[in-house]
Amino acid sequence: SQTIHQWPATLVQPVGSPLSLECTVEGTSNPNLYWYRQAAGRGLQLLFYSVGIGQISSEVPQNLSASRPQDRQFILSSKKLLLSDSGFYLCAWTYFNPGRANTGELFFGEGSRLTVL
Amino acid sequence: GEDVEQSLFLSVREGDSSVINCTYTDSSSTYLYWYKQEPGAGLQLLTYIFSNMDMKQDQRLTVLLNKKDKHLSLRIADTQTGDSAIYFCAESIRGGSYIPTFGRGTSLIVHP
Repeated sequence: SQTIHQWPATLVQPVGSPLSLECTVEGTSNPNLYWYRQAAGRGLQLLFYSVGIGQISSEVPQNLSASRPQDRQFILSSKKLLLSDSGFYLCAWTYFNPGRANTGELFFGEGSRLTVL
Repeated sequence: GEDVEQSLFLSVREGDSSVINCTYTDSSSTYLYWYKQEPGAGLQLLTYIFSNMDMKQDQRLTVLLNKKDKHLSLRIADTQTGDSAIYFCAESIRGGSYIPTFGRGTSLIVHP
């Protein structure tokens, strides 16, 4: 069976410090990978998605970046955190088979709560 | 404006039915989803419906789709306190990269 792991689960960082959140998927290959942010009282904002190693699409301009060094590893980073970066970060994956029926179901990790002080 | 809209809160009494509503704007939406998020956790897919369907039932859950009005609803029968969570409506379009667009989520509060 497939599993997705995110860490750390909770993070408190000062403004201006760096960030690294890691996400790993097991039990599947060539997944599409996603990073979402959920700010308090707001919905899910798609930050990045990746359809393959080294392929990153950014949905919103920000001081965050993403990398996919391995097929099942997705990393969210920042060189200098802002107060507005606080939120709940969710990694997700789905499979996409061209030419076949795909439901588009996303499988989410448990989330990483980031507080920037 | 947002592509997917939901009311933010719903409060019901235990044992009653809950109906969570959602409207979307993209008429080419192929898949519509309901996800559930429990406190401090990620989202889990509850159910989904293809755009060529009007209704889907799965135990206590009933999904109704009105394509003309671009309206999706989720009915939970015999709501329990364990159903308290945030429910997200989402849509995606076939043929693209299947990136769903999520609503803001409806917080369902179930009173004993």
